[in-house]
Amino acid sequence: GESVGLHLPTLSVQEGDNSIINCAYSNSASDYFIWYKQESGKGPQFIIDIRSNMDKRQGQRVTVLLNKTVKHLSLQIAATQPGDSAVYFCAEVTTSGTYKYIFGTGTRLKVLA
Amino acid sequence: NAGVTQTPKFQVLKTGQSMTLQCAQDMNHNSMYWYRQDPGMGLRLIYYSASEGTTDKGEVPNGYNVSRLNKREFSLRLESAAPSQTSVYFCASSEFYRGGYGYTFGSGTRLTVV
Repeated sequence: GESVGLHLPTLSVQEGDNSIINCAYSNSASDYFIWYKQESGKGPQFIIDIRSNMDKRQGQRVTVLLNKTVKHLSLQIAATQPGDSAVYFCAEVTTSGTYKYIFGTGTRLKVLA
Repeated sequence: NAGVTQTPKFQVLKTGQSMTLQCAQDMNHNSMYWYRQDPGMGLRLIYYSASEGTTDKGEVPNGYNVSRLNKREFSLRLESAAPSQTSVYFCASSEFYRGGYGYTFGSGTRLTVV
């Protein structure tokens, strides 16, 4: 079946370094992609989204890149801070035909002091 | 500005007991959702309400019922709890249903069924 997955279950980065979290998606017809952050004991929090007609979108310290050729999505966090420690997961949304909103399983980001 | 509020935060049930998880949002969102989150799995949709007055089954509806009480409130009921329903439950809302909307989630209810 269709799925949204992550390459790395755990990513450890040094404070101040840049982080890159990856996501592979399977449905080429998906037209929205969304990144969420989930801190321990809390609900997921929307970070940034990107439409399928875009390759890149920037937010505050975060950038999402979309490569439709290989069905790959990445979240880049600049100057990673201790407060960035969390689980990050992507969601894939298909609005044409049968509506689908599928969440990936997540990557844990650990920021080392 | 609470966003999405869920109660209770923690609950322990015995097998066969019933309970209702409450959810309320104050953002005037039309659509609301109930998800469960289990280790190693992505969020799975239990039920959703695209708009006030409508509810529909999601991916894993068995053993659950929902009520969209009004535009603000969407409750999830377990009629006869089973150990397989041990999970963390999240309520979420979005302005509309069909679209690439980021959801606003509550802080979750951690449910243990023994």
